[in-house]
Amino acid sequence: NAGVTQTPKFRVLKTGQSMTLLCAQDMNHEYMYWYRQDPGMGLRLIHYSVGEGTTAKGEVPDGYNVSRLKKQNFLLGLESAAPSQTSVYFCASSRDRNEKLFFGSGTQLSVL
Amino acid sequence: RKEVEQDPGPFNVPEGATVAFNCTYSNSASQSFFWYRQDCRKEPKLLMSVYSSGNEDGRFTAQLNRASQYISLLIRDSKLSDSATYLCVVYRSGSARQLTFGSGTQLTVLP
Repeated sequence: NAGVTQTPKFRVLKTGQSMTLLCAQDMNHEYMYWYRQDPGMGLRLIHYSVGEGTTAKGEVPDGYNVSRLKKQNFLLGLESAAPSQTSVYFCASSRDRNEKLFFGSGTQLSVL
Repeated sequence: RKEVEQDPGPFNVPEGATVAFNCTYSNSASQSFFWYRQDCRKEPKLLMSVYSSGNEDGRFTAQLNRASQYISLLIRDSKLSDSATYLCVVYRSGSARQLTFGSGTQLTVLP
């Protein structure tokens, strides 16, 4: 099984550009999450989903949008990228809300 | 005050040493506790869950102290391959964060 797959692995954007990060999982998990990781800050939850067609705000949702049109996919969008969004982004999924998280390999995003 | 706090380290220990990490959490309503391991530039992976009675997995022992609101991870007979960042993770229902991650403790095991 592939587990959780994130694309792209690296991206450089100019301020104001938009992009979408794709996360796909093949474990039939209900819960999916988008985190960002910054030095000294730990992982912070951006948005999450508890099932197909649902999304909810996490700790740091501003500047991001998400969609979960299919159970296996969770998309993270940046409509107008800002330098403060330079970070490593991780997607994760889990069977239930307090169970083991399976992470994708991460996306290194730089906004210039 | 952060909801989950860890000593960032770094901890530099020789092979074979025993090392312990502590993590404190601020919300007494926290329900579940975990240790994740993250290698440099890689994704976090679950190391072990932490149960109320304490639990052991090979060289790793996790303890929970609800009264003092901390969890600990003990690594015995350290191996070079144990070098990583260890993340303390706390779950509390009703939290917008769902799972709250500590900033991590960096461990380097030296030959």
